[in-house]
Amino acid sequence: DAMVIQNPRYQVTQFGKPVTLSCSQTLNHNVMYWYQQKSSQAPKLLFHYYDKDFNNEADTPDNFQSRRPNTSFCFLDIRSPGLGDAAMYLCATSSPKQGLRNNEQFFGPGTRLTVL
Amino acid sequence: AQSVSQHNHHVILSEAASLELGCNYSYGGTVNLFWYVQYPGQHLQLLLKYFSGDPLVKGIKGFEAEFIKSKFSFNLRKPSVQWSDTAEYFCAVNAGYGGSQGNLIFGKGTKLSVKP
Repeated sequence: DAMVIQNPRYQVTQFGKPVTLSCSQTLNHNVMYWYQQKSSQAPKLLFHYYDKDFNNEADTPDNFQSRRPNTSFCFLDIRSPGLGDAAMYLCATSSPKQGLRNNEQFFGPGTRLTVL
Repeated sequence: AQSVSQHNHHVILSEAASLELGCNYSYGGTVNLFWYVQYPGQHLQLLLKYFSGDPLVKGIKGFEAEFIKSKFSFNLRKPSVQWSDTAEYFCAVNAGYGGSQGNLIFGKGTKLSVKP
Protein backbone atom coordinates (compact mmCIF):
# COMPACT_ATOMS: atom_id res chain seq x y z
CA ASP A 1 0.00 0.00 0.00
CA ALA A 2 1.14 3.50 -0.76
CA MET A 3 2.03 5.26 2.43
CA VAL A 4 4.11 7.68 4.44
CA ILE A 5 6.77 6.03 6.57
CA GLN A 6 8.66 7.60 9.43
CA ASN A 7 11.74 6.20 11.06
CA PRO A 8 12.41 5.72 13.81
CA ARG A 9 9.07 5.70 15.64
CA TYR A 10 10.81 6.60 18.88
CA GLN A 11 14.05 8.54 19.17
CA VAL A 12 15.96 9.41 22.29
CA THR A 13 18.74 11.96 22.16
CA GLN A 14 20.79 13.96 24.58
CA PHE A 15 20.56 17.67 25.15
CA GLY A 16 22.60 19.36 22.42
CA LYS A 17 23.29 16.20 20.42
CA PRO A 18 22.23 16.52 16.77
CA VAL A 19 19.47 14.22 15.65
CA THR A 20 17.91 13.39 12.28
CA LEU A 21 14.40 12.12 11.71
CA SER A 22 13.47 10.42 8.47
CA CYS A 23 10.38 10.38 6.31
CA SER A 24 9.76 8.48 3.11
CA GLN A 25 6.73 8.18 0.89
CA THR A 26 5.55 5.85 -1.83
CA LEU A 27 2.75 8.17 -2.96
CA ASN A 28 4.96 10.13 -5.36
CA HIS A 29 3.61 13.37 -3.96
CA ASN A 30 5.25 16.67 -4.77
CA VAL A 31 4.80 18.26 -1.38
CA MET A 32 6.21 17.05 1.92
CA TYR A 33 5.55 18.70 5.29
CA TRP A 34 7.03 18.50 8.76
CA TYR A 35 4.87 19.24 11.79
CA GLN A 36 5.77 19.41 15.47
CA GLN A 37 3.13 18.30 17.96
CA LYS A 38 3.74 18.79 21.66
CA SER A 39 1.65 17.08 24.28
CA SER A 40 -2.00 18.25 24.29
CA GLN A 41 -1.27 20.80 21.57
CA ALA A 42 -2.16 21.15 17.91
CA PRO A 43 0.27 19.97 15.24
CA LYS A 44 2.30 23.00 14.16
CA LEU A 45 3.82 23.30 10.72
CA LEU A 46 7.60 23.75 10.74
CA PHE A 47 8.28 23.83 6.98
CA HIS A 48 7.43 22.15 3.73
CA TYR A 49 9.00 21.29 0.40
CA TYR A 50 7.16 21.81 -2.84
CA ASP A 51 9.32 19.67 -5.09
CA LYS A 52 12.77 21.07 -4.33
CA ASP A 53 11.53 24.44 -3.14
CA PHE A 54 11.90 24.83 0.61
CA ASN A 55 9.31 26.91 2.49
CA ASN A 56 10.11 27.73 6.09
CA GLU A 57 7.48 28.98 8.51
CA ALA A 58 8.40 32.36 9.93
CA ASP A 59 8.45 31.17 13.53
CA THR A 60 10.37 27.92 13.00
CA PRO A 61 13.59 28.10 15.04
CA ASP A 62 16.91 28.04 13.17
CA ASN A 63 17.74 24.92 15.15
CA PHE A 64 15.45 23.02 12.80
CA GLN A 65 16.59 22.24 9.27
CA SER A 66 15.33 19.99 6.54
CA ARG A 67 16.68 18.18 3.50
CA ARG A 68 14.90 16.56 0.60
CA PRO A 69 17.41 14.65 -1.53
CA ASN A 70 14.73 13.22 -3.83
CA THR A 71 10.95 12.98 -4.23
CA SER A 72 10.63 10.06 -1.85
CA PHE A 73 12.67 11.17 1.13
CA CYS A 74 12.67 14.12 3.47
CA PHE A 75 14.73 14.59 6.63
CA LEU A 76 14.31 16.76 9.69
CA ASP A 77 17.57 17.76 11.34
CA ILE A 78 17.64 19.23 14.81
CA ARG A 79 21.08 20.68 15.26
CA SER A 80 21.13 21.15 19.03
CA PRO A 81 18.04 19.67 20.64
CA GLY A 82 16.80 21.32 23.79
CA LEU A 83 14.41 19.95 26.36
CA GLY A 84 11.67 22.03 24.76
CA ASP A 85 12.07 20.17 21.48
CA ALA A 86 10.70 16.95 22.92
CA ALA A 87 7.59 16.29 20.88
CA MET A 88 5.97 14.12 18.25
CA TYR A 89 7.20 15.00 14.77
CA LEU A 90 4.78 14.32 11.95
CA CYS A 91 5.57 14.06 8.28
CA ALA A 92 2.84 14.57 5.71
CA THR A 93 2.56 14.65 1.93
CA SER A 94 0.16 16.05 -0.60
CA SER A 95 -0.21 16.29 -4.34
CA PRO A 96 -1.24 19.71 -5.64
CA LYS A 97 -3.15 18.53 -8.68
CA GLN A 98 -6.20 20.51 -7.60
CA GLY A 99 -4.32 23.35 -6.04
CA LEU A 100 -2.48 23.23 -2.75
CA ARG A 101 -5.40 24.53 -0.72
CA ASN A 102 -7.71 21.76 -1.80
CA ASN A 103 -5.47 18.90 -1.05
CA GLU A 104 -5.74 16.25 1.55
CA GLN A 105 -2.54 15.71 3.43
CA PHE A 106 -1.44 12.15 4.13
CA PHE A 107 0.33 11.68 7.42
CA GLY A 108 2.94 9.28 8.67
CA PRO A 109 2.74 7.68 12.13
CA GLY A 110 5.13 10.20 13.63
CA THR A 111 8.42 10.01 15.50
CA ARG A 112 8.31 10.68 19.23
CA LEU A 113 11.47 12.51 20.25
CA THR A 114 12.71 12.44 23.82
CA VAL A 115 15.51 14.76 24.88
CA LEU A 116 17.47 13.77 28.00
CA ALA B 1 -3.34 35.35 12.67
CA GLN B 2 -5.55 32.44 11.73
CA SER B 3 -6.54 30.09 14.51
CA VAL B 4 -8.76 27.09 15.11
CA SER B 5 -10.59 26.46 18.37
CA GLN B 6 -11.97 23.14 19.48
CA HIS B 7 -14.16 23.66 22.49
CA ASN B 8 -14.00 20.27 24.11
CA HIS B 9 -10.76 18.71 25.25
CA HIS B 10 -12.25 15.34 26.21
CA VAL B 11 -15.70 13.97 25.49
CA ILE B 12 -16.99 10.76 27.03
CA LEU B 13 -20.08 9.09 25.56
CA SER B 14 -21.85 5.80 25.76
CA GLU B 15 -22.37 3.73 22.63
CA ALA B 16 -25.33 4.86 20.51
CA ALA B 17 -25.18 8.39 21.88
CA SER B 18 -25.10 11.26 19.42
CA LEU B 19 -21.90 13.23 18.95
CA GLU B 20 -21.20 16.84 18.13
CA LEU B 21 -17.69 18.27 18.34
CA GLY B 22 -17.31 21.99 17.99
CA CYS B 23 -14.81 23.77 15.78
CA ASN B 24 -14.50 27.49 15.18
CA TYR B 25 -11.92 29.28 13.10
CA SER B 26 -10.82 32.84 12.80
CA TYR B 27 -10.43 34.03 9.23
CA GLY B 28 -12.72 36.25 7.22
CA GLY B 29 -11.89 35.05 3.74
CA THR B 30 -12.27 31.83 1.79
CA VAL B 31 -11.34 28.75 3.75
CA ASN B 32 -11.03 25.05 3.20
CA LEU B 33 -11.94 22.99 6.24
CA PHE B 34 -10.96 19.51 7.35
CA TRP B 35 -11.55 17.04 10.11
CA TYR B 36 -8.81 14.52 10.79
CA VAL B 37 -9.02 11.54 13.12
CA GLN B 38 -6.26 9.73 14.96
CA TYR B 39 -7.14 6.31 16.32
CA PRO B 40 -5.01 4.99 19.19
CA GLY B 41 -1.55 4.12 17.95
CA GLN B 42 -2.31 5.16 14.40
CA HIS B 43 -1.53 8.10 12.16
CA LEU B 44 -3.73 11.08 11.39
CA GLN B 45 -6.18 10.36 8.61
CA LEU B 46 -8.77 12.46 6.82
CA LEU B 47 -12.36 12.10 8.01
CA LEU B 48 -13.97 14.68 5.76
CA LYS B 49 -13.34 18.02 4.07
CA TYR B 50 -15.19 21.09 2.84
CA PHE B 51 -14.05 23.17 -0.10
CA SER B 52 -17.21 24.66 -1.58
CA GLY B 53 -20.81 23.86 -2.45
CA ASP B 54 -23.16 22.05 -0.08
CA PRO B 55 -22.19 23.16 3.44
CA LEU B 56 -23.19 19.79 4.84
CA VAL B 57 -20.43 17.33 4.01
CA LYS B 58 -20.41 13.63 4.63
CA GLY B 59 -17.30 11.69 5.46
CA ILE B 60 -16.27 8.18 6.24
CA LYS B 61 -17.78 5.99 8.95
CA GLY B 62 -21.05 7.91 9.19
CA PHE B 63 -19.53 11.26 10.17
CA GLU B 64 -20.73 14.55 8.78
CA ALA B 65 -19.91 18.20 9.34
CA GLU B 66 -21.70 21.42 8.65
CA PHE B 67 -19.99 24.60 7.54
CA ILE B 68 -21.78 27.67 8.87
CA LYS B 69 -20.01 30.67 7.44
CA SER B 70 -21.81 33.24 9.58
CA LYS B 71 -20.67 31.45 12.71
CA PHE B 72 -17.17 30.59 11.45
CA SER B 73 -17.93 27.04 12.49
CA PHE B 74 -17.41 23.54 11.13
CA ASN B 75 -18.87 21.18 13.70
CA LEU B 76 -18.50 17.43 13.41
CA ARG B 77 -21.48 15.17 14.04
CA LYS B 78 -22.40 11.53 14.18
CA PRO B 79 -25.91 10.33 15.09
CA SER B 80 -24.83 7.19 16.92
CA VAL B 81 -21.26 6.57 18.06
CA GLN B 82 -19.58 3.20 18.40
CA TRP B 83 -16.82 2.03 20.68
CA SER B 84 -14.53 1.98 17.61
CA ASP B 85 -14.95 5.75 17.27
CA THR B 86 -12.73 6.23 20.31
CA ALA B 87 -9.99 8.47 18.95
CA GLU B 88 -8.68 12.01 18.88
CA TYR B 89 -10.35 14.37 16.42
CA PHE B 90 -8.63 17.40 14.93
CA CYS B 91 -10.25 20.24 13.06
CA ALA B 92 -8.03 22.06 10.57
CA VAL B 93 -8.34 25.03 8.25
CA ASN B 94 -6.42 26.01 5.15
CA ALA B 95 -6.68 29.71 4.52
CA GLY B 96 -3.24 30.47 3.23
CA TYR B 97 -2.21 31.98 -0.06
CA GLY B 98 0.88 31.99 -2.20
CA GLY B 99 3.58 29.83 -0.71
CA SER B 100 1.47 29.19 2.38
CA GLN B 101 -1.61 27.98 0.61
CA GLY B 102 -0.99 24.37 1.47
CA ASN B 103 -0.53 24.99 5.15
CA LEU B 104 -2.98 23.53 7.63
CA ILE B 105 -3.77 25.25 10.90
CA PHE B 106 -4.91 22.64 13.39
CA GLY B 107 -7.02 22.86 16.50
CA LYS B 108 -5.74 21.28 19.70
CA GLY B 109 -7.89 18.21 19.21
CA THR B 110 -10.75 16.58 21.08
CA LYS B 111 -10.35 13.18 22.63
CA LEU B 112 -13.46 11.06 22.30
CA SER B 113 -13.90 8.08 24.59
CA VAL B 114 -16.86 5.82 23.86
CA LYS B 115 -17.91 3.45 26.62
CA PRO B 116 -19.22 0.08 25.44
